[in-house]
Amino acid sequence: DAGVIQSPRHEVTEMGQEVTLRCKPISGHNSLFWYRQTMMRGLELLIYFNNNVPIDDSGMPEDRFSAKMPNASFSTLKIQPSEPRDSAVYFCASRPTLGEKLFFGSGTQLSVL
Amino acid sequence: DAKTTQPTSMDCAEGRAANLPCNHSTISGNEYVYWYRQIHSQGPQYIIHGLKNNETNEMASLIITEDRKSSTLILPHATLRDTAVYYCIVRVAMNSGYSTLTFGKGTMLLVSP
Repeated sequence: DAGVIQSPRHEVTEMGQEVTLRCKPISGHNSLFWYRQTMMRGLELLIYFNNNVPIDDSGMPEDRFSAKMPNASFSTLKIQPSEPRDSAVYFCASRPTLGEKLFFGSGTQLSVL
Repeated sequence: DAKTTQPTSMDCAEGRAANLPCNHSTISGNEYVYWYRQIHSQGPQYIIHGLKNNETNEMASLIITEDRKSSTLILPHATLRDTAVYYCIVRVAMNSGYSTLTFGKGTMLLVSP
């Protein structure tokens, strides 16, 4: 199994541009999570999907952030417009239905100039 | 979820046992202790979890005190590759419904030659 796949690994963009981060969870996993990590705030949960349905998006910073999961094998996190304070590493994770473990991807390093 | 307290950092000599403590004095009867680690530039990785009995797997051992107010993660023979931030998390079972993980600041373990 290739694990949780995130793309791109690195993204550099200018303030005001739209950014789309992508995640492919492990096949058969029905829960998907987006986390953001910064030095100041550590790892923060942004949104949690179960069976492609958003269950908790209370961690999404503001309306500039949106996440979708159109099917069981793909999710996107979009920032529009991006701001320098959005610079962080964004992690996607998935979990099987009855599993206890979260499996994380390698993350996307986002830099907004 | 119960609050956990971990030392900010610890050192360990290569080949020696690394004993990472975690205090969780407000843990509830149905809450488990989970350990994850994050190696630099990677996503967090599951290590082990337990309820009240000691647990061991190929990565580590988890010792939980009888009153369950604290626990220790043991890496029996630390290697340089074990240098990472180790997170202790207390929560109800991941497969019990609403299932997210909240990460604290963790312990930075530095394994030296």
